[in-house]
Amino acid sequence: NAGVTQTPKFQVLKTGQSMTLQCAQDMNHEYMSWYRQDPGMGLRLIHYSVGAGITDQGEVPNGYNVSRSTTEDFPLRLLSAAPSQTSVYFCASKKLTTEAFFGQGTRLTVV
Amino acid sequence: SQQGEEDPQALSIQEGENATMNCSYKTSINNLQWYRQNSGRGLVHLILIRSNEREKHSGRLRVTLDTSKKSSSLLITASRAADTASYFCATATLFGNEKLTFGTGTRLTIIP
Repeated sequence: NAGVTQTPKFQVLKTGQSMTLQCAQDMNHEYMSWYRQDPGMGLRLIHYSVGAGITDQGEVPNGYNVSRSTTEDFPLRLLSAAPSQTSVYFCASKKLTTEAFFGQGTRLTVV
Repeated sequence: SQQGEEDPQALSIQEGENATMNCSYKTSINNLQWYRQNSGRGLVHLILIRSNEREKHSGRLRVTLDTSKKSSSLLITASRAADTASYFCATATLFGNEKLTFGTGTRLTIIP
């Protein structure tokens, strides 16, 4: 039981490049989400999903896309990276009304 | 916008002392959760308290919830160096409780 697995752990992108952050969970959780964490800002919700085929926007969705084709996977796509997207990204999963389990994070730098 | 705000932003205490952190939130909640984050790591769940509960214990942790004041506190007793971390509260709102909204966190430093 691996929990929530995020890849890669570190990534450097040039402005305008695109990439996908991977997130997988093996706990059969309905709910998955992506957060970004910036200094002094806590965690801000980017996108979330309550099940396969269902996604919705969070607090800061601009510049990011998600899809949920399976219960296990919830990739986050950066369409055209900008320096403002330099951050640490966390994926989380949970069952409804319970605690969340987090991945170890992806540290992204956009130059 | 942040639903929860932690207070203080930073706290330093001697090992063995108790640490208290507070969280205030804005809207009605289904439950409130506390998480710990060690430097450079993911968040780890500590305790969940539901809106109809007033107090909950887990080991050296004690959480209180006052829904009339929209506030919660986390007490860590007999602190240890390993408790050094950032602590976040997160709220699940009454409607749409699948979403967790996090505060900005309290950075706790335990001085050996």
